[in-house]
Amino acid sequence: NAGVMQNPRHLVRRRGQEARLRCSPMKGHSHVYWYRQLPEEGLKFMVYLQKENIIDESGMPKERFSAEFPKEGPSILRIQQVVRGDSAAYFCASSPPGQGASINEKLFFGSGTQLSVL
Amino acid sequence: EDQVTQSPEALRLQEGESSSLNCSYTVSGLRGLFWYRQDPGKGPEFLFTLYSAGEEKEKERLKATLTKKESFLHITAPKPEDSSTYLCAVQPIGGSNYKLTFGKGTLLTVNP
Repeated sequence: NAGVMQNPRHLVRRRGQEARLRCSPMKGHSHVYWYRQLPEEGLKFMVYLQKENIIDESGMPKERFSAEFPKEGPSILRIQQVVRGDSAAYFCASSPPGQGASINEKLFFGSGTQLSVL
Repeated sequence: EDQVTQSPEALRLQEGESSSLNCSYTVSGLRGLFWYRQDPGKGPEFLFTLYSAGEEKEKERLKATLTKKESFLHITAPKPEDSSTYLCAVQPIGGSNYKLTFGKGTLLTVNP
């Protein structure tokens, strides 16, 4: 059973370009969470999605950032017009149906995408 | 706002030298406290969940304990493969209980 898959592992962008980060949750999981880890900082919640729905995007900057989790295909975190401050590791996690609103059980994390903005 | 503070930031031990990591937290209501380990270039890997003060959980050389204000991760006779960054996170009670607040972690190095 494959774990949470994120790609690319490393992404280099120049200021002003767009970054697209992909996350395929574990098989059978329908809840996806994105976290960001800045250097020397803890993981910070960004957004929580279920299939075709954004449940909570309160941790995501209102400008330039968007996320989706379509009925088919991976979840996408999109950052438009990237700036150097966007450089960070972005982690995706997933959980099974019925646990999204009460994650008493563990979250399964992917290996992350390291975004570097030149 | 929920807060998690971990100490020390870094800890270097000799193989077999037992020690403890600390996680202090403030949260309006605690639903669960999580411990993860994170190796370089990888995502966090789940270790334990603790739900109430006085609870303890063990896994191999690790034991996690919980009080109303802090949690400890005790490492008994560590081995080099225990070297990792250990993360603590709290899950609040209430409508946003899916949001975990993480500490910055403790980088543990175990020398052979």
